[in-house]
Amino acid sequence: AQTVTQSQPEMSVQEAETVTLSCTYDTSESDYYLFWYKQPPSRQMILVIRQEAYKQQNATENRFSVNFQKAAKSFSLKISDSQLGDAAMYFCAYRSQHYTSGTYKYIFGTGTRLKVLA
Amino acid sequence: GAGVSQSPSNKVTEKGKDVELRCDPISGHTALYWYRQSLGQGLEFLIYFQGNSAPDKSGLPSDRFSAERTGGSVSTLTIQRTQQEDSAVYLCASSRTGLAGADTGELFFGEGSRLTVL
Repeated sequence: AQTVTQSQPEMSVQEAETVTLSCTYDTSESDYYLFWYKQPPSRQMILVIRQEAYKQQNATENRFSVNFQKAAKSFSLKISDSQLGDAAMYFCAYRSQHYTSGTYKYIFGTGTRLKVLA
Repeated sequence: GAGVSQSPSNKVTEKGKDVELRCDPISGHTALYWYRQSLGQGLEFLIYFQGNSAPDKSGLPSDRFSAERTGGSVSTLTIQRTQQEDSAVYLCASSRTGLAGADTGELFFGEGSRLTVL
């Protein structure tokens, strides 16, 4: 079974600085998606960034980028020029890409709470 | 709006009562997921509907919990004889999972239903 591990329950970053959130996962599959979701205090989960495992190039979305290391099964999120609005809970998630795995269930990590200091 | 809609937003009930939580997914989305999130915690998978296939109920914590999805659209999560440990936010999400050419892997979340059992 697949697992997703976020080993940092809480992180802090100074406004305008850069922070990296860690995520590792375990799977025997070769094709899958990895995601970072943000959950602000308003509660609604929002997709931050998505990576397809077959793509070697790391995904980027404006100030957000990932370091995807497939062999090491690592998927970290880098937030550059941190802003107060980045303060939230961040969840790493995994999903099989093909139904041959038997499910399209999403596996979420336990989350990292990011605090942004003014 | 075009997003995932959940109701009620907040529900306070007495121990032993039954509650129904509703989720209206994005039109055309084939998959619908229910998750439970206790205060400050991660997402606990409950149940997953994929098209016309039998739902994956592997996450339901007890037989007091049930869910249905009518006409491949609206879903209702029912909790019978509520207990205080059922207090949590119940999140619904939908996606184009499995739709050839349209499945980006992205999961779209509603704002959740906060259940408080007194």
